[in-house]
Amino acid sequence: QQPVQSPQAVILREGEDAVINCSSSKALYSVHWYRQKHGEAPVFLMILLKGGEQKGHEKISASFNEKKQQSSLYLTASQLSYSGTYFCGTERRAAGNKLTFGGGTRVLVKP
Amino acid sequence: GAVVSQHPSWVICKSGTSVKIECRSLDFQATTMFWYRQFPKQSLMLMATSNEGSKATYEQGVEKDKFLINHASLTLSTLTVTSAHPEDSSFYICSANDRGSEHFGDGTRLSIL
Repeated sequence: QQPVQSPQAVILREGEDAVINCSSSKALYSVHWYRQKHGEAPVFLMILLKGGEQKGHEKISASFNEKKQQSSLYLTASQLSYSGTYFCGTERRAAGNKLTFGGGTRVLVKP
Repeated sequence: GAVVSQHPSWVICKSGTSVKIECRSLDFQATTMFWYRQFPKQSLMLMATSNEGSKATYEQGVEKDKFLINHASLTLSTLTVTSAHPEDSSFYICSANDRGSEHFGDGTRLSIL
């Protein structure tokens, strides 16, 4: 079942913050976050495995709620290079390590 | 870090042609690789799971005879789009899992005329 991502798109000024949410109706084994630039393959950002976990990568961080049904990606003090489409990929143990991707959130950071 | 190489990166061919796409894990072994298809401005849709030494597992709605998958070694999986038609034009991406992280190839843009 495809996770639900929100918002679908966001436009930011350089230096502003944004939050992208990824929700599932069932508990997840893990959540993977990726960023995809136009015409390129997705690039792995981070993976969250434990309920309540928080993880960071430069000024991009993510959290996984205690019930393991929602993850949020935080873009802090956004840079122009943060522009792209962000996807969450969710893994349910029963699905055999297959990732199911959300619909994506398009982020545009303007100067 | 783990590197997945995909070849070719862009293919343009006539309708009816069969096209083979290769996916290689360069610095790790992958018993399982995944093949995705992505249409413009849409999410990645899993097509099939490629299993080394055994048959691929296809997602519902994906034609097995249309999209032939071969995973002959621990570092190579191939996807062959047989008798491709314009509706098969898409961005095809493979991925492989290395120690819990999924790594993608650079993708193959397939355009069928």
